Amino acid sequence: DTAVSQTPKYLVTQMGNDKSIKCEQNLGHDTMYWYKQDSKKFLKIMFSYNNKELIINETVPNRFSPKSPDKAHLNLHINSLELGDSAVYFCASSHRGGVAKNIQYFGAGTRLSVL
Amino acid sequence: DAKTTQPPSMDCAEGRAANLPCNHSTISGNEYVYWYRQIHSQGPQYIIHGLKNNETNEMASLIITEDRKSSTLILPHATLRDTAVYYCIVRSRSYNTDKLIFGTGTRLQVFP
Repeated sequence: DTAVSQTPKYLVTQMGNDKSIKCEQNLGHDTMYWYKQDSKKFLKIMFSYNNKELIINETVPNRFSPKSPDKAHLNLHINSLELGDSAVYFCASSHRGGVAKNIQYFGAGTRLSVL
Repeated sequence: DAKTTQPPSMDCAEGRAANLPCNHSTISGNEYVYWYRQIHSQGPQYIIHGLKNNETNEMASLIITEDRKSSTLILPHATLRDTAVYYCIVRSRSYNTDKLIFGTGTRLQVFP
């Protein structure tokens, strides 16, 4: 039973298209995140939601819009895809509040290739 | 959050202890040291964290120096499955800093 699951695992698309990546967690956590890992393997936070409320937005372009229908789901929609969006996107979840609880669990990643 | 410095790569023989160092000389009193690892093509995985005392769990041990300016992650009996990039991260206790700031990490290669 996967704790943090992302779909799809691979996504190949053309420039200019719009695509979505879905994330679900069954850990009962109240906080979810999106991270981006680029071709140089740098892993960087993009967004964080707590109980469906946006709490971190790391100056990501407006083309990226996270949506959290409930605290177990955080989807990422990307408009007008660009070549530079090619990366691996990781979803994560945790409890919020107190360092001891804030251990983040990551999904397996979605490899996005924009052609 | 304080910056960390790690060697870019290390090797370790299978069955031996792997000792991964991390410098965090600007760490402040309310900041914890976390370790995560990323096995090739997988999502990062939490290993251990600590404030000032040494910590041990089923995966590893964390030794933090008395001045807290550096720490060492110890994998007591490395296996081939421990080959991964290991990230040392310093994080505040604040509610508002839930994000993890990943550096370049140490690529550990365990060889037979």
